[in-house]
This record gives sequence, structure tokens and C-alpha cells, in this order.
Amino acid sequence: DAMVIQNPRYQVTQFGKPVTLSCSQTLNHNVMYWYQQKSSQAPKLLFHYYDKDFNNEADTPDNFQSRRPNTSFCFLDIRSPGLGDAAMYLCATSLPGQGRDIQYFGAGTRLSVL
Amino acid sequence: RKEVEQDPGPFNVPEGATVAFNCTYSNSASQSFFWYRQDCRKEPKLLMSVYSSGNEDGRFTAQLNRASQYISLLIRDSKLSDSATYLCVVNPATHSGYALNFGKGTSLLVTP
Repeated sequence: DAMVIQNPRYQVTQFGKPVTLSCSQTLNHNVMYWYQQKSSQAPKLLFHYYDKDFNNEADTPDNFQSRRPNTSFCFLDIRSPGLGDAAMYLCATSLPGQGRDIQYFGAGTRLSVL
Repeated sequence: RKEVEQDPGPFNVPEGATVAFNCTYSNSASQSFFWYRQDCRKEPKLLMSVYSSGNEDGRFTAQLNRASQYISLLIRDSKLSDSATYLCVVNPATHSGYALNFGKGTSLLVTP
């Protein structure tokens, strides 16, 4: 059974049209992460939540925002998608003190920008 | 120097072969290390974690050399299903909830 669930699996949006990607988890993990992965590249961390504490990576564009209304859910909002934002977006979770920071990934949302 | 470096490959090996990947990391304070497997257009999945000198799971063996700051992954008796990209991942910090450093991955193709 999937423990980190991302919806939708595929998302097509238009240039400049806001889009929201969602992630839910059944693991009750404190930490949730959002990564962007482009073809043949390593996943790039955008930001993460440690409980309700938001931690933004220094080079994450302002165009990317996130919300975590509760432990189980986390959203990635792209306010004005550009062609360069087309990528796979991966959500991951981890539990501090358990498994020494193993991150469990969702299946990803592949975003296309037209 | 990049935080985590891997040979991108591709490594093309016949079924049954033994193949080894190396990964180097720059932060000597790094505490934990992982190998993830990623299939094409899928999410990374944990293959092995390495906290001390090494770990073994069936056909897969990971070894850590802290003095030289590298981690290796050995795959014995390769199967066609082993074809994937293998990501070397390093936790640079001692506490949890911290950004992991990913290598770009090493591509493996096992052929009949």
C-alpha cells in the first residue's frame, strides 16, 4: 500500500496558470519535503517542513510556495509556471530519530507546461 | 567540488556479471549514507542504508570508507531487472529533518 501519495500523477498546465500539487502520507512522519527533478538530474530540494516549521532552500524561486495544513498533507503551489518548471515533482517524508533520516518518496507528479 | 559525485555511466553489463559503483562525498562530517534505485520516470526507492562500514543485502553490498570519503555499491549476479539509475545519497548533518545531498546517479543497463 502506498504510504506517500501524490496527486495527480500527471498535470498539464498553461504558461502562467497557477497549479497546485498535493501530497499525503499515512506514515505520520514529522518531516515532509518537496523536490524538483528534471531529466537526468538529481532531485533538487525546494523546501521542507519540520512539523509546522517551514524551511526554504536559498535558491528556491519565489514562484514556488508550500502549505502544510496538518501532519498528513502538504501542497506545492506554483504561482506562475514557466516552461522551465516542467519537471517531476517528488514529495518525501522522514521521521526524526527513526531510520536515521531515510526518506520515503511518493510516486511523483510529472508537470508539463504548455 | 560537488557535494556528492558519481560516475554517470552508463554501465552496460551482461546478465550474471558483477558490477560496482563508486560515490565520493565532500563533507567529512557526514553521518549516514544511502543508495536509492530509480527506474525511468519513477520515484527513488531506498535500496540500502549505510551507517557503519558497510551493509549487505542478498546480491547487494555497500561499503563505506570514511577516510577516503567514498561509498561503493556492489551488485553480484546482475539481473535484467537491476537495470535502473542508482543514486548515492548523503546526509551531511547529525540531526534529522535536514536536506540530503543527492548524486546525479549512475545508470546501469543489464543485457541478456
